[in-house]
Amino acid sequence: QVQLVQSGSELQKPGASVTVSCKPSGYTFIKSSIHWVRQAPGQGLEWIGWINTNTGNPTYAQDFAGHFVFSLDTSITTAYLHISGLKAEDSAIYYCARGDGTGYFLDYWGQGTLVTVSS
Amino acid sequence: DVVMTQSPDSLSVSLGERATISCKSSQNILYTSDNKNYLAWYQQKPGQPPKLLIYWASTRQSGVPDRFSGSGSGTDFTLTINSLQAEDVAVYYCQQSFYTPRTFGQGTKVEI
Repeated sequence: QVQLVQSGSELQKPGASVTVSCKPSGYTFIKSSIHWVRQAPGQGLEWIGWINTNTGNPTYAQDFAGHFVFSLDTSITTAYLHISGLKAEDSAIYYCARGDGTGYFLDYWGQGTLVTVSS
Repeated sequence: DVVMTQSPDSLSVSLGERATISCKSSQNILYTSDNKNYLAWYQQKPGQPPKLLIYWASTRQSGVPDRFSGSGSGTDFTLTINSLQAEDVAVYYCQQSFYTPRTFGQGTKVEI
């Protein structure tokens, strides 16, 4: 069955960087896109962007460009979200999700990774 | 960015009754070339990731009970939950995927 397993919670200081990993299984990695979504505590969902797992080409929502970077390691079929220059407002749960066959909808989600930014 | 506005922000429904959630897009998300609305509904229960319920505005994802239905076109969409069950308590989000960024509505909390 399809699963996306994310790395564990992180506590980081302001200005630091963090990398969240997402390891899908149960399907061919390069055949489906990976999307990243943020959810601040008690808040709604924000779409950060997506990465084409076949070409490695990322697309970012403008609000997140430069501050957030997607990458892949296809040898271990893992996707990464790297956040640099962390601010308190980056404290949130970060989800990876698989794009469905069309790429337009998110049919499987990781369990989420809590990133807390605090001095 | 396309703004997705849901209403109400929350609603309380009795068991077995119907819940109706509205989602309005600030721009048309019906692509005339394929006659598809690029709109999905997600359900998020406390402490869990979201779950895809409906895509193309009205197609139920595999395994989703048929008491969930989606309708609408263009800029106005509706999620209906018929005969609400206790396990339907959750926050429901709409998302458009026609434009980048793929924006979500603010969410609607459904309670018993």
